[in-house]
Amino acid sequence: EDKVVQSPLSLVVHEGDTVTLNCSYEVTNFRSLLWYKQEKKAPTFLFMLTSSGIEKKSGRLSSILDKKELFSILNITATQTGDSAVYLCAVEATSGTYKYIFGTGTRLKVLA
Amino acid sequence: DGGITQSPKYLFRKEGQNVTLSCEQNLNHDAMYWYRQDPGQGLRLIYYSQIVNDFQKGDIAEGYSVSREKKESFPLTVTSAQKNPTAFYLCASSPRTQGEQFFGPGTRLTVL
Repeated sequence: EDKVVQSPLSLVVHEGDTVTLNCSYEVTNFRSLLWYKQEKKAPTFLFMLTSSGIEKKSGRLSSILDKKELFSILNITATQTGDSAVYLCAVEATSGTYKYIFGTGTRLKVLA
Repeated sequence: DGGITQSPKYLFRKEGQNVTLSCEQNLNHDAMYWYRQDPGQGLRLIYYSQIVNDFQKGDIAEGYSVSREKKESFPLTVTSAQKNPTAFYLCASSPRTQGEQFFGPGTRLTVL
């Protein structure tokens, strides 16, 4: 059965800290791994990763994929209170048709 | 502006009633998806559609039904057979062959 596991489930840090969020997966016919940020309602897209070892960066956020060990990490440096959100990891698989498998998310709270 | 809209934002239903949640997109995406999100959990796939007039069950399709008569629209009906329908429902769409999903703002359904 396809599955995506995120850790930790929740995290509380202070502004300025650096955090690392983890996502491991077991899926057949892996196509891509995606990270989303969900603050109140609709998740918003952060990164899509398809190749191992290539870091994607956007400001203070970065992410990398390891297809051999089947995991990805999302790093946030110099955290701010606005980074408080649930971070979702999803894996796109192609078992006949395209399908997305989501993890349970990591709830990040950044304290001022 | 291109995007996905969902309506209503909040919905209250009495037990035994069917309700229909609307999802419309003007992004010209082939694929559309319905997810359910419960507190502390990730997104669980209810139904998805890769093309007009075709759809597949996701992981938790029991008690739900969908239609895809137009490319832009993918309504979800929550039937009285759904045992625990109170949840946050998210609709998403994606280009058929690309990874990123675009999410609507969600509908929060409460059964009284």
